[in-house]
Amino acid sequence: EAQVTQNPRYLITVTGKKLTVTCSQNMNHEYMSWYRQDPGLGLRQIYYSMNVEVTDKGDVPEGYKVSRKEKRNFPLILESPSPNQTSLYFCATGLAGDFGELFFGEGSRLTVL
Amino acid sequence: QKEVEQNSGPLSVPEGAIASLNCTYSDRGSQSFFWYRQYSGKSPELIMFIYSNGDKEDGRFTAQLNKASQYVSLLIRDSQPSDSATYLCAVKPGGRRALTFGSGTRLQVQP
Repeated sequence: EAQVTQNPRYLITVTGKKLTVTCSQNMNHEYMSWYRQDPGLGLRQIYYSMNVEVTDKGDVPEGYKVSRKEKRNFPLILESPSPNQTSLYFCATGLAGDFGELFFGEGSRLTVL
Repeated sequence: QKEVEQNSGPLSVPEGAIASLNCTYSDRGSQSFFWYRQYSGKSPELIMFIYSNGDKEDGRFTAQLNKASQYVSLLIRDSQPSDSATYLCAVKPGGRRALTFGSGTRLQVQP
């Protein structure tokens, strides 16, 4: 079954405590991306990757890091989380030539106190 | 001005009616346009895409694009309660490797 798997699905943490949200896909997609979804603001792209070792900033990259060491994995790292990073995070994948058709993970709801 | 604008709703229609969802975008260089559906507590899923001016039909769904007016719409015929969800309009702006999403329109289909 084609899947995009995110972990954890829910997390409550405190300001400054480093955390990583993992994303793994079994669809052999080159393109992977992270979005955050906030009420009234819609989905906003944080980072994306066109392929292994190729990453680039999206619209709201401040406070986040990513890496793409393997094709199937694209973790999102919050080095020092702050309350304004409380959000619903989605990992999405797609074909490199057509990143309009995105396949989303189930989402990770993060609360930073 | 937001890059992609949608009325947040809720848009309430009776079962069996036509639901009309609208979206405007600001980047005239945009080439591709998408509609995603998101049920409450779930992730978005693609339901339609359109690249050329005019209408594109898929079952009960019709996407309409007017590039001159920078306007995209989604029509849902014979609306069902199971169509109740938030519909996200997404645009691929020219030269960018990303989709820009609107904030979504919540549709409620009343039985």
